[in-house]
Amino acid sequence: DAKTTQPPSMDCAEGRAANLPCNHSTISGNEYVYWYRQIHSQGPQYIIHGLKNNETNEMASLIITEDRKSSTLILPHATLRDTAVYYCIVRRSSGSARQLTFGSGTQLTVLP
Amino acid sequence: NAGVTQTPKFQVLKTGQSMTLQCAQDMNHEYMSWYRQDPGMGLRLIHYSVGAGITDQGEVPNGYNVSRSTTEDFPLRLLSAAPSQTSVYFCASSYSRRGANYGYTFGSGTRLTVV
Repeated sequence: DAKTTQPPSMDCAEGRAANLPCNHSTISGNEYVYWYRQIHSQGPQYIIHGLKNNETNEMASLIITEDRKSSTLILPHATLRDTAVYYCIVRRSSGSARQLTFGSGTQLTVLP
Repeated sequence: NAGVTQTPKFQVLKTGQSMTLQCAQDMNHEYMSWYRQDPGMGLRLIHYSVGAGITDQGEVPNGYNVSRSTTEDFPLRLLSAAPSQTSVYFCASSYSRRGANYGYTFGSGTRLTVV
């Protein structure tokens, strides 16, 4: 699986959009970009994933650059409950490669 | 649906004791995994299974055994607990359909302390 690089920490004001970047310059054509988050002491929570098109769901939007070497997770209106560690993961779809490799993630702190 | 259920939530073991961490899912997911998370670190894969009767090692398998006799259950066995196995353990499950990927559902974790 391709390696990802994320900033170790970010702050965001409550009610504003939180934009979390991820670099995955060695991504292969059949690798997806996944985002998970982990709120303190809880199990990780799946947020969103994409291959090459931008994606949106009820939690967030995922913007993937045209060359697929980087992506941005957008939380449109951050709340205090969005404070968590956010993990960007790149992986293929089949067999053993479906397992997740977690890096150190980005600690997002939403400030009141 | 209960999702992924892990038991127990907390456990204290003495060095050398054995125990089994239970994981069950009711979503008919074929993929199941065990991860451990040490303080201030990301999750590391211990063992995983791509279906009943099939298991394989992850990044940190030493000291742990798994089996997958049913689709629903994926227990993790510590054969002889060591202080280095003090950690939070997470079980997760997932599935795919016609090549489409779906996100993993994680359990709430088992906090294990080995003294």
